[in-house]
Amino acid sequence: DIQMTQSPSSVSASGGDRVTITCRASQSIKNYLNWYQQKPGKAPKLLIYAASTLQSGVPSRFSGGGSGTDFTLAISSLRPEDSATYFCQQTYLVPQTFGGGTKVEIK
Amino acid sequence: QLQLQESGPGLVKPSETLSLTCTVSGGSISTSSYYWGWIRQPPGKGLEWIANIYYRGTTEYNPSLKSRVTMSVDTSKNQFSLRLTSVTAADTAVYYCARVDFWTGYSPFDSWGQGTLITVSS
Repeated sequence: DIQMTQSPSSVSASGGDRVTITCRASQSIKNYLNWYQQKPGKAPKLLIYAASTLQSGVPSRFSGGGSGTDFTLAISSLRPEDSATYFCQQTYLVPQTFGGGTKVEIK
Repeated sequence: QLQLQESGPGLVKPSETLSLTCTVSGGSISTSSYYWGWIRQPPGKGLEWIANIYYRGTTEYNPSLKSRVTMSVDTSKNQFSLRLTSVTAADTAVYYCARVDFWTGYSPFDSWGQGTLITVSS
């Protein structure tokens, strides 16, 4: 199975800050990388697919990048509603696998 | 607006079979651009993909669960289902059903149910 490793596991930042989350795959997954946001007690929500394509309706302060094994999710100007856990997912090979998650907290 | 709703027993005894159904509303399950899937999340932990199904019945399973999992689809009811046999405490999790956007070529889960907590306990 392809292992997806996210870092950091948690981050605390102030409103307006830029936050970057990293996801590393154990082998090349080209750009078959999706990002999700999950708030407590809620289902995950798709933010970005194909590493960098913003899902319809998602604010433009979210952006994704990378290819191969290294990927990033950036939040350009952190807002209170961005407090959540973020997961990456690879869909290059079966079984598709998720990263362990990064919890973003607002100071 | 597409909605997915999981239904299940809540509590299952060890060694028994878990059966879950996802009812899709606001859209047809018989759409060529989409697959339908199940994902689970143990309390306080990460996400694990279980299986996907196409409306014509083609399935894809996580090899780690394949021997215990069966997915099926009922297009007349706009539902799809999951059966997981021989459950143990390790199967305790929130189970989500979701739509897979196959048309993008990257198969993200673009619409999710609210999730249902399944506890395995005697």
